[in-house]
Amino acid sequence: EVQLLESGGDFVQPGESLRLSCAASGFTFSNYVMNWVRQAPGKGLEWVATISSAFHTYYADSVKGRFTISRDNSQNTLFLQMNSLRAEDTALYFCAKDIGGPAGDLAPDYWGQGTLVTVSS
Amino acid sequence: DIVLTQTPLSSPVTLGQPASISCRSSQSLIHTDGNTYLSWFQQRPGQPPRLLIYKISNRFSGVPDRFSGSGAGTEFTLTINRVEAEDVGVYYCMHTARMYRSFGQGTKLEI
Repeated sequence: EVQLLESGGDFVQPGESLRLSCAASGFTFSNYVMNWVRQAPGKGLEWVATISSAFHTYYADSVKGRFTISRDNSQNTLFLQMNSLRAEDTALYFCAKDIGGPAGDLAPDYWGQGTLVTVSS
Repeated sequence: DIVLTQTPLSSPVTLGQPASISCRSSQSLIHTDGNTYLSWFQQRPGQPPRLLIYKISNRFSGVPDRFSGSGAGTEFTLTINRVEAEDVGVYYCMHTARMYRSFGQGTKLEI
């Protein structure tokens, strides 16, 4: 059974940093594209970042230069390092894996429950 | 950047009746591999998103066959054949045609 468990969310002040983790199990983590998606309170979904199985990384303009997505395949864990946090980064942060498989299908199929980040002074 | 525009943003529906949601893309969603990567998600209150449809019309595992996807190029549609009470929630389209991905604004389906 695929499981994704996010952690690391917290209440921080503007300008501070935070590192989110996503522990994966139930699939061969190293073979899959992984994503971070966030949802501000009462708002829609916003794609944040994606990392391929070859460690290529991609970011939304809103977080480029401040956030870093990474993965540790030996620990089956996805990370999101968030620096210079702003009030507008307040959101529930989800990690999600892509379908992948033989066809290499690109779409997030399994999602974690999310971890809450609150940025406020 | 690719912008996805969903209509309507809110849709009152009647149980047992069909419902449809449109998603228009600002650019073609054809990937370099020839596939069109447009997906649909359902999000119930307090839950993470659930993948319903991928590559325009492929139902994900366990998704009831009353959900279907269609479209091509830049115009896509999610159709629910006969709405059931459990279908209440917010529906999002998403493109993964480029590695810089994006979601539509969401459509709230309410009975």
